[in-house]
Parts: sequence; structure tokens; C-alpha cells
Amino acid sequence: DAGITQSPRHKVTETGTPVTLRCHQTENHRYMYWYRQDPGHGLRLIHYSYGVKDTDKGEVSDGYSVSRSKTEDFLLTLESATSSQTSVYFCAISESPAGTWSNQPQHFGDGTRLSIL
Amino acid sequence: LAKTTQPISMDSYEGQEVNITCSHNNIATNDYITWYQQFPSQGPRFIIQGYKTKVTNEVASLFIPADRKSSTLSLPRVSLSDTAVYYCLVGDTQDMRFGAGTRLTVKP
Repeated sequence: DAGITQSPRHKVTETGTPVTLRCHQTENHRYMYWYRQDPGHGLRLIHYSYGVKDTDKGEVSDGYSVSRSKTEDFLLTLESATSSQTSVYFCAISESPAGTWSNQPQHFGDGTRLSIL
Repeated sequence: LAKTTQPISMDSYEGQEVNITCSHNNIATNDYITWYQQFPSQGPRFIIQGYKTKVTNEVASLFIPADRKSSTLSLPRVSLSDTAVYYCLVGDTQDMRFGAGTRLTVKP
């Protein structure tokens, strides 16, 4: 399996508090992604990164920010958590752009379960 | 924007072949079609990927018609351990859309 570690694996916090989730990879892949998974919605892309300090928004980016200061780490921050952000968050990596001519699939971590009360 | 539609659930029995179809009417010219499998409390795991016609690997086949508006994942001779949620994914990095997934239940 691809070397992807998400931390923490579980977190419970209160509305209005800042939260940072970390994704760490040992594969030296250029692309990294953050998804959220909610019942009935499958996985939805929040943000992705195509290199150090290079990020872009996905389908559901409102309320989230990301940073990538090193190839191996991609951080997802909820500046002021809301109950609607209770979800399971997955990080993924790929060698080159997912879904394009490069034919590179994404590899996923095992997720972070975040509950916001 | 590419969007996928899959059946919500399917049941099968051990040893049978299972076909799961995904509809993606707005697929773009350069989009690949990728299928993932997900077990509870785990991240999705790559199964197979294709662009057109048929692709086969050691675990599945993927059939894509000429118009590419749909694709069918074929799992030969399923076992109980194939019980999982299966997702098709279409789109490029900036517009990747997972479907809601198909929950496959394999019965003994």
C-alpha cells in the first residue's frame, strides 16, 4: 500500500475552534488531495495540491484552507469549525494529475473521522 | 461538468459474476474512467482504470462503449470479501466527481 498517514485518526471538537488535519506521504508524489465523505454524497474534493506551495480549490472548498510547505505534508485547516463540517476526511496522492492522459490513479489514506459538536 | 450515476445497491451470491454500470453522460474527451473499492473504515482502493473499449486486470474488467457515456465494472466469481462500496470516478484533477457509490452485498 502507498505510504500515506493521516493524523489524527479521530477527533472531537467544539464549534468555532480551529482544527488542522495532517496528511503525510512517503512516496514523493507531486499531487495530494483532500476529500470529505458524507452519507449519500460519496467523496467530494475539497482542495488539492500540485506541488509545494501550489494548491487549488475543489468542489467544496468553502470553510477550508490548505497548505503544503513540503512535498510530503499536506495540511487541511478548518479555521472555525462548524457542525456541517462533521465528516470523514480522506487524503489521497498521485504521481501526476489524476484522471487525465497520464493514467495515474490516486492512492488514499485511511481517513480522519472528525466530529464537531 | 462530469457527473456519475450508479445504482445505490446490488446483491449477489458467491461465485457469480457481477456487473456494475456507471453513467457519465458529460465525460470530457481527455477524462479517464476509474473505479475504486471501499471497505468500512478504510480509504478507497484502486481497482481498474480505462479510457475506451475493454481493460482487464487480475481482479476485474472494465467495459467502455464507443460513446464513453457509461462504463461497466465486471467482477468475475465474487466472494464474500468483495462485499464493499464501489465508486466510479470521472474527470480531471480540477473537476473530479465521485458518484455516490454502489453498495455490493455478496451472500453465501
